[in-house]
This record gives sequence, C-alpha cells and structure tokens, in this order.
Amino acid sequence: GENVEQHPSTLSVQEGDSAVIKCTYSDSASNYFPWYKQELGKRPQLIIDIRSNVGEKKDQRIAVTLNKTAKHFSLHITETQPEDSAVYFCAASMTGGGADGLTFGKGTHLIIQP
Amino acid sequence: DAGITQSPRHKVTETGTPVTLRCHQTENHRYMYWYRQDPGHGLRLIHYSYGVKDTDKGEVSDGYSVSRSKTEDFLLTLESATSSQTSVYFCAISATGGHSNEQFFGPGTRLTVL
Repeated sequence: GENVEQHPSTLSVQEGDSAVIKCTYSDSASNYFPWYKQELGKRPQLIIDIRSNVGEKKDQRIAVTLNKTAKHFSLHITETQPEDSAVYFCAASMTGGGADGLTFGKGTHLIIQP
Repeated sequence: DAGITQSPRHKVTETGTPVTLRCHQTENHRYMYWYRQDPGHGLRLIHYSYGVKDTDKGEVSDGYSVSRSKTEDFLLTLESATSSQTSVYFCAISATGGHSNEQFFGPGTRLTVL
C-alpha cells in the first residue's frame, strides 16, 4: 500500500517568516495530495490540495508544489502569523480521495514564535 | 462545517466490552470513512464505505467492523474493546466524483478503554 513520510515533525519559525513542510510518497499511482490543518482539540480541515497533473497551486499565503518524478510534495506558508500555529498533515490517494480513503503523514507541529 | 456529527463524543469503557460509534451526515455524500488518530501515527484509515451496504477495509481494520444501512449513517463497532483501541476516532465524508475530492471530518470521538 501507499506510504507517506512527512518532515519535520516539529517546525518553529519567527512570525513573518516562511515555513516549508515536506512529504514523500511511495506509490507512483497516487494522484491526489491534500494538506490538512488541525488545531488543538479540533477536527482536521483541508487547507489546500493538488492533483498529479498540476505542479503548483497557490491560495493567498499558502502554496503546494508537487514533483511527480521524485514523488514528493511540499507545503509553503509565507508571512506566517500566530493563527498558523497548528499541526499540519499531508496525505495521498490513488483515487482522488474517494473509494479508498487517504494515507496520511504523521504530521508537523508548526509553532509560530512572536 | 459540513453536516456531519459523531456520537458519542466521549466514551470510557472496559476491556472486552462491545462499543459502537455512530457517524451521521446530512450532506447525502456517497463516501464515508472511519479514521483513528494516535500520537506519533497521524490519521489511519480503519474502514470506508462507497455506498449503502458497500464497505471495505482500510490500513488498520483488525478488531473493527462497520455497517452502513442508510446513506446518512456509518457505524463503527469494536466487538471486544482492547486498551490498544484507546484513541480519537474521526469520521469523514466525501462527495468525490464532482469538482472536489475534499474529505470533511466530523468532530471526533475520544474513546478510552480501561
């Protein structure tokens, strides 16, 4: 089955700086890669996703890049703010998220230092 | 938040007892999923459903069974609870097949097995 590795497990950045979280996947058939944000005690919520036919996608301060050849994808957050502090999960799916669920990385705890 | 609820929200039970968790949606989405979340493991898929009476196993299905007799309800049963099943359980739903593959998560159920 699919295996998703996520690094780092903890990331501390100064407010206003950029943060980058990286994930690798094992199955070249995976074609959908979402990123979820989870605040303490809350449910995971989708912040951005990308399909395998796209190399990069942006949404305001958040961007995701995908390198299919290397089988890795990354989350970029620019101009970080205190409300960005949370745990971020990457995931992969071979069927676009449906029919077989998502395989998640183990998460990155992002800490924004004031 | 999408119309998805879970019950109970918290439960403490003893080893060897059966436990049933309920996920209820009002979105009429076809796909439903059960994940468990444990420190250091991220979210792992237990079972999923792609329609009424249509279910399949996920990554960590041992010790769990599911049923879906109606579109809106997806039940997760621990036949004989063990301490290793102490976890936070999240239900998710997805429309998949349309313009979005987003999985929406429920609020979670915290289960403690003593």
